[in-house]
Amino acid sequence: ILNVEQSPQSLHVQEGDSTNFTCSFPSSNFYALHWYRWETAKSPEALFVMTLNGDEKKKGRISATLNTKEGYSYLYIKGSQPEDSATYLCALAPPNTGNQFYFGTGTSLTVIP
Amino acid sequence: DSGVTQTPKHLITATGQRVTLRCSPRSGDLSVYWYQQSLDQGLQFLIQYYNGEERAKGNILERFSAQQFPDLHSELNLSSLELGDSALYFCASSVGTLSSYNEQFFGPGTRLTVL
Repeated sequence: ILNVEQSPQSLHVQEGDSTNFTCSFPSSNFYALHWYRWETAKSPEALFVMTLNGDEKKKGRISATLNTKEGYSYLYIKGSQPEDSATYLCALAPPNTGNQFYFGTGTSLTVIP
Repeated sequence: DSGVTQTPKHLITATGQRVTLRCSPRSGDLSVYWYQQSLDQGLQFLIQYYNGEERAKGNILERFSAQQFPDLHSELNLSSLELGDSALYFCASSVGTLSSYNEQFFGPGTRLTVL
């Protein structure tokens, strides 16, 4: 079982603030890292797939970076809005496992209007 | 809407009973995955099927079993239920290849409560 850690566990920010959180994973045996957004009472929704060291992906106000050598990925949200409130999950997909995902426990973000 | 459907949405049952959770993947997806989310735990991978065959096994108890049918829908069977089996069970699907690059599309989940 691979250990995927996310920090912080929860975060409260004011509307308009920018924020970021971390996903840490074993740097050896890396293949792909997935970020998901999970709103309450809905199903997790894919944000990004990160595969190469130094990868940077962006979708609107949300972006992510990847450092496979040191084993972490950052998710950034610029100018947080109340609709960004959700749990953000990262999942490691190691090679040769048939796309089995190892999820972190998530960072719960609350954006206060 | 991810295109993955799960039934039922909620299930309440008693200890010792057996239940079946059902999942229909997105059209064209060959892989189906089952995950369990218990209180204060992250999503735990249980099992994966690919085109009808078991592909990978995670932390799945011996009391649990799954299968994928020729029409690609999948069922997760949970037997001799215990209080600790109460959880949210998700099904996900992905496209035909087994690449780790493929995102998984999640269904709405089945909330199981064991009393």
